[in-house]
Amino acid sequence: DAMVIQNPRYQVTQFGKPVTLSCSQTLNHNVMYWYQQKSSQAPKLLFHYYDKDFNNEADTPDNFQSRRPNTSFCFLDIRSPGLGDAAMYLCATSDRRDYNEQFFGPGTRLTVL
Amino acid sequence: TQLLEQSPQFLSIQEGENLTVYCNSSSVFSSLQWYRQEPGEGPVLLVTVVTGGEVKKLKRLTFQFGDARKDSSLHITAAQPGDTGLYLCAGVLGGTSYGKLTFGQGTILTVHP
Repeated sequence: DAMVIQNPRYQVTQFGKPVTLSCSQTLNHNVMYWYQQKSSQAPKLLFHYYDKDFNNEADTPDNFQSRRPNTSFCFLDIRSPGLGDAAMYLCATSDRRDYNEQFFGPGTRLTVL
Repeated sequence: TQLLEQSPQFLSIQEGENLTVYCNSSSVFSSLQWYRQEPGEGPVLLVTVVTGGEVKKLKRLTFQFGDARKDSSLHITAAQPGDTGLYLCAGVLGGTSYGKLTFGQGTILTVHP
């Protein structure tokens, strides 16, 4: 089945220790998004890639970076995680034939100690 | 300012009851999506509505898009404990080219047996 996969599902890191979350998709969608979601709140868009073009949201901290080496993979790098960065991180994709619909992965729950 | 106001934020009902969740805006959306999210998982797309006045049914769930495409509702008939979760409405504002979603605050639904 075509899908959005996120690894790991649970990640524990230490305060200030860099961490990378990964997302892969078999949908061949050209747009990939990274969201941060805190407990029972709506997801907050951090940035997205339209093909290889990177688009940062204005209020995304510099601490968050992203890489998309190819269509299938996208990474979220947190350079120096703080306690406030503990959250669920969601990857989503959408396709040029219908940008209205986004398909989400299962998420990575990040804990910062 | 919240572009998409979702209400109620919390809903606790007994099995068999009906409920309606609302999403309202002063802005026009080219489409509106409803997602359901279970704890520890990513949002799952339930439906997309794109035409003003459109009504879509998914088993016991009925989705409506307002005539002016500024509001939407989700109605669940005879709720079951399996309907428990976070319900999110999300819209694509008119004129957006790549499908950036504007989320409502979410509705946490608990259905008690």
